Parts: sequence; C-alpha cells; structure tokens
Amino acid sequence: KNQVEQSPQSLIILEGKNCTLQCNYTVSPFSNLRWYKQDTGRGPVSLTIMTFSENTKSNGRYTATLDADTKQSSLHITASQLSDSASYICVPDSGGYNKLIFGAGTRLAVHP
Amino acid sequence: SAVISQKPSRDICQRGTSLTIQCQVDSQVTMMFWYRQQPGQSLTLIATANQGSEATYESGFVIDKFPISRPNLTFSTLTVSNMSPEDSSIYLCSVEGVVDSGNTIYFGEGSWLTVV
Repeated sequence: KNQVEQSPQSLIILEGKNCTLQCNYTVSPFSNLRWYKQDTGRGPVSLTIMTFSENTKSNGRYTATLDADTKQSSLHITASQLSDSASYICVPDSGGYNKLIFGAGTRLAVHP
Repeated sequence: SAVISQKPSRDICQRGTSLTIQCQVDSQVTMMFWYRQQPGQSLTLIATANQGSEATYESGFVIDKFPISRPNLTFSTLTVSNMSPEDSSIYLCSVEGVVDSGNTIYFGEGSWLTVV
C-alpha cells in the first residue's frame, strides 16, 4: 500500500532559525517527489519537484533532498520568517497525475 | 505558472442543497483535476476533468454526487450534490504545468464549503 509519513506532525521555531522536515514514503513504482506549502484555508503552492534521479533541489530558502534508495526526503528551511508558518506537504507519485500520494503535512509555526 | 481562479472562495450551505464550484485558468491546459481536503486531512483526488468527455472518477467518488463539466481547455465546474455535513471541506481545482526540469501541479485557492 502506498503511504507517506511526515515528521514531526507539528513544529514551533523562532524567527531566524533553521529547521528540517522529514518525509518517509513507500510508493512503488516511484517517479517524482514534490513538496508543497499550504497556508491555512488556501490551496497548496509548489516549492520543489525532484525526479527519482535527483538528490537535491533548492528554491530560495527552501532546500529539498531525496534518497530514493531509502525512500526518504527532507525539506530544510533556512533563516525562517514569520511567513513560513504553514503546513508543508510531501507528495511522492508513482507516475501520472492521478497517482500523487499526499502526506498529512507538518504544521510549522514560526514565532517572533 | 498557471493562474487558477475559483468561485466561490467560501460558502455556507444548507443540508440537502447543491453547489457548483467554478474553476477558471488563465491558459489552456490539458489536464484539470478536482481535489477534496476534509478538515485536518490530506488532499484526496476526486476526479480528472476531461475536455469534451465524461470525467474520470477515483474510487469512492461518483458522478451523481460530484458531477463535473469541462466545456473547454480553460474552464471546469464541480457540483457537490445533495450536501451533508460530511461534505464540509475545501475543494481544490488543479492543473498540470511545466516548471524547471519537471511537471508539477498548480492548485487554485480553494473553495471552503461548510454544510449546516
């Protein structure tokens, strides 16, 4: 069964600090891994997308890593800002837009 | 990136009524999708909206409950029929797009429905 586990479930950090969010998945076959940011009550916004052969992808202060062998991914946020407060969703897929598996997300709160 | 507009953004609906959500994209796209996100839950794909043909529904979703139209390559509607409180969710329209080295999915801002 295709599954996605994200940790921690929630996280509180102080503004300016770094943090790393984790994602373990059991998706087979595996094609791509996406990270999305979702503000409360809003639609998800794409942060990064990596194919199975890529190890890292950056988008500004966001850096995603992927280890397709161990089926693990992480999202590192550098120098956090208050606007980073949101849910971060890990989304592996097994090929095809109808085969995206959405994680439950990590809810990040950045405090001043 | 694609700009996706959804209407309504938020509504409170009476039990037993139906509501149609509109999704407008600023460019022609081949693939359009409808997702549901129940409170505190992850996103679940309802169906793929096919232009000129019937939508393709995922397991657990049926056309009678969630009829979908796709009259052209920039517009789609999702109707939530005979609503019950369990239908209280955010409904999201999404389209495929190309970014950097891969394809991604863009989402609209969502339509937040509360059924009372």
